[in-house]
Amino acid sequence: DTEVTQTPKHLVMGMTNKKSLKCEQHMGHRAMYWYKQKAKKPPELMFVYSYEKLSINESVPSRFSPECPNSSLLNLHLHALQPEDSALYLCASSQERGTLRNQPQHFGDGTRLSIL
Amino acid sequence: AQSVAQPEDQVNVAEGNPLTVKCTYSVSGNPYLFWYVQYPNRGLQFLLKYITGDNLVKGSYGFEAEFNKSQTSFHLKKPSALVSDSALYFCAVRDRSTGSARQLTFGSGTQLTVLP
Repeated sequence: DTEVTQTPKHLVMGMTNKKSLKCEQHMGHRAMYWYKQKAKKPPELMFVYSYEKLSINESVPSRFSPECPNSSLLNLHLHALQPEDSALYLCASSQERGTLRNQPQHFGDGTRLSIL
Repeated sequence: AQSVAQPEDQVNVAEGNPLTVKCTYSVSGNPYLFWYVQYPNRGLQFLLKYITGDNLVKGSYGFEAEFNKSQTSFHLKKPSALVSDSALYFCAVRDRSTGSARQLTFGSGTQLTVLP
């Protein structure tokens, strides 16, 4: 069992739909991440939240909109996605400050997203 | 800038034989190094890390890795492979001097297949 919980596990949506991916962790981590992963490829960083503030946006298209309502929750709002956005979306969390920066990121099992 | 190379896309080994998955890295300062494993339809799972100190690091499931500063390598090893070790393995590096949470760079991944 992973300590980072992502819902839903699978999502199929049309290009005009609006949906949201959710991520939750209760490890007290103050850095949270969204990654996109294509099959057999490494994860690609999309967004980083540090202490509930967006600190990194890796030039992600505006059809992806992240939100961090509190220190335990991370959402990714989706709208007007394209077929090439079909992928596994992974959430991760980690310690943030000082010497704790050497700690690993903890990943959820992801949401497998298919765009029709 | 930092980078990670995993020179082998695929490694095949017979069950019971030792296995090695190779990783070399490049950072401007000193590295934090990590190995992750990904099973089908799962997220990335942390195996082990090198921070400082002993060059031989022991991790989960009998895996270990040897840090070699002169060769800038961090190869993953296991004395006796199991069929259940078959998975996708990622090496990752973070420059110790960076203050940013995002600076975790992944290698391209190595698919390990253990043959019964």
